[in-house]
Amino acid sequence: KNQVEQSPQSLIILEGKNCTLQCNYTVSPFSNLRWYKQDTGRGPVSLTIMTFSENTKSNGRYTATLDADTKQSSLHITASQLSDSASYICVVSAEEYGNKLVFGAGTILRVKS
Amino acid sequence: DTAVSQTPKYLVTQMGNDKSIKCEQNLGHDTMYWYKQDSKKFLKIMFSYNNKELIINETVPNRFSPKSPDKAHLNLHINSLELGDSAVYFCASSSYGGQWRSPLHFGNGTRLTVT
Repeated sequence: KNQVEQSPQSLIILEGKNCTLQCNYTVSPFSNLRWYKQDTGRGPVSLTIMTFSENTKSNGRYTATLDADTKQSSLHITASQLSDSASYICVVSAEEYGNKLVFGAGTILRVKS
Repeated sequence: DTAVSQTPKYLVTQMGNDKSIKCEQNLGHDTMYWYKQDSKKFLKIMFSYNNKELIINETVPNRFSPKSPDKAHLNLHINSLELGDSAVYFCASSSYGGQWRSPLHFGNGTRLTVT
């Protein structure tokens, strides 16, 4: 079982709507948690990096939250745009793996007009 | 002015062949990586170089050999290609502190198809 689980696997929303993507991880202890956006045919692009002491971090319309106690993170997208259609990947830096990054499989978001 | 560029974007080849993928970054980073993204979309690290020195070498068949002529370049050579090598290979770079402190900057990937 992967140590970083994301849900839902895929999501379709209407343009202008908000959505929240979930990430649960089991690795412990960890250094930081990241969210990446991967457009089709492109490499992932960093959205946020949070350490265990940070509860929330924003990047424009993207807001990530972290609960280190429950080992859960969420990525909230406000007022979605067509260009938000992409895969969103949760990544945990895991000390138990020598601080290597453990990637989730991603949530595929499709925003339609 | 692409930050991390890798070539080729697509690579179709037959089993048993040898191929190389090139990567260059102009961000001034001193750490570079190769990742493999399989059909299930998981990204897994293969290698990491810091200032031309190998620092991470995951359990990868020795048919895969990275080469870093300088800190701005990290190439990946694959010998005796197998069907299971088909995947998208991403090059990435980061500033000092490696992947656990700094954001990774990825290239756009090389889709390798072995027939």
